[in-house]
Amino acid sequence: KQEVTQIPAALSVPEGENLVLNCSFTDSAIYNLQWFRQDPGKGLTSLLLIQSSQREQTSGRLNASLDKSSGRSTLYIAASQPGDSATYLCAVNEGGATNKLIFGTGTLLAVQP
Amino acid sequence: DAGVIQSPRHEVTEMGQEVTLRCKPISGHDYLFWYRQTMMRGLELLIYFNNNVPIDDSGMPEDRFSAKMPNASFSTLKIQPSEPRDSAVYFCASSFRTGVNQPQHFGDGTRLSIL
Repeated sequence: KQEVTQIPAALSVPEGENLVLNCSFTDSAIYNLQWFRQDPGKGLTSLLLIQSSQREQTSGRLNASLDKSSGRSTLYIAASQPGDSATYLCAVNEGGATNKLIFGTGTLLAVQP
Repeated sequence: DAGVIQSPRHEVTEMGQEVTLRCKPISGHDYLFWYRQTMMRGLELLIYFNNNVPIDDSGMPEDRFSAKMPNASFSTLKIQPSEPRDSAVYFCASSFRTGVNQPQHFGDGTRLSIL
């Protein structure tokens, strides 16, 4: 059974710092991996989607990497800002032709001004 | 373009009552997903539909839970009878042409409290 874990569970950094969030999964037979952001009282917003054949994806200050063989993904946030404060979740799609996502436990990020 | 719309945003009801949560997916999306989020269990997939047909309901916790999608623009998740342990945030999400790496788009959720 696929299990997705995120470390750390919570992280607090000063504004301007670069940071890395980690995601690990137990079964490497995934279709893609997705990173989401969740603000308090809100739904999830898709940030990046990495296909199984890809190594990384970039969007603005965000860069996500994927190492299927080791069951790991990282989300790199450059020059963090207070507006980046949120919970970040990774999810693996192991459903093949479906989009059945297994979510990680999330990392609560606080960027201090 | 309107996103996924869920109603109500908040629901407080007494144990034993019937609860109906509603979702309008993004127009043109042919996959719809219902999730439940709790502190203890995180985000769990309950059921998903493709072209209005339920594909996988293995995440539905009990027979008290049921979901329908009568047309492409509307879905409901019903709990009858409700219990305090059903208290959670319920999210609906939709995606387009799943299988070609399309991200899921989430609504803002319904926060359900069963007293």
